[in-house]
Amino acid sequence: GENVEQHPSTLSVQEGDSAVIKCTYSDSASNYFPWYKQELGKRPQLIIDIRSNVGEKKDQRIAVTLNKTAKHFSLHITETQPEDSAVYFCAASINNAGNMLTFGGGTRLMVKP
Amino acid sequence: DTEVTQTPKHLVMGMTNKKSLKCEQHMGHRAMYWYKQKAKKPPELMFVYSYEKLSINESVPSRFSPECPNSSLLNLHLHALQPEDSALYLCASSKRTGNQETQYFGPGTRLLVL
Repeated sequence: GENVEQHPSTLSVQEGDSAVIKCTYSDSASNYFPWYKQELGKRPQLIIDIRSNVGEKKDQRIAVTLNKTAKHFSLHITETQPEDSAVYFCAASINNAGNMLTFGGGTRLMVKP
Repeated sequence: DTEVTQTPKHLVMGMTNKKSLKCEQHMGHRAMYWYKQKAKKPPELMFVYSYEKLSINESVPSRFSPECPNSSLLNLHLHALQPEDSALYLCASSKRTGNQETQYFGPGTRLLVL
């Protein structure tokens, strides 16, 4: 089955700096890669996703890049703010229906004011 | 209604109790899911319902019994649970965009088994 590795497990940045979280996946058949943000005690919220026919996608301060050859994808957050502090999960989906998400282990991001 | 809702928010039960978790969505999503999330861990898939039929069961113990009475409602019936089953139980539903299903999570039920 699919295996998703996520690094780092914790990340501390100063407000205004950029943050980068990296994930690798094992199955070349995976074609959908969402990122979820989970604040303490809250639900995971989809913040951005990318499909395998696209190399990069941006939404304001958030961007995701995908390298299919190397089987890795990354989340980039620019101009970080304290409210970006949360646990971020990457995930990969192995089939076209996309309903089998395999999650990475999570990254705890702390943005210091 | 643009959210997945779950009740109750918190549940404490003994190992001999029977209880049910409820999940609802009115977004017309075709698939619904149950996940289990332990502290500081990612969500783990338990069950998937597609068009009200159970399509995936990730080798979950029979003390967890899912039910999908209609396209908007998903239940998880609990019986004879163990303390290690204490966790956050998340429901999700998904909509189809092209060939992909985008999943949206409910707020979860925090379960404590004593």
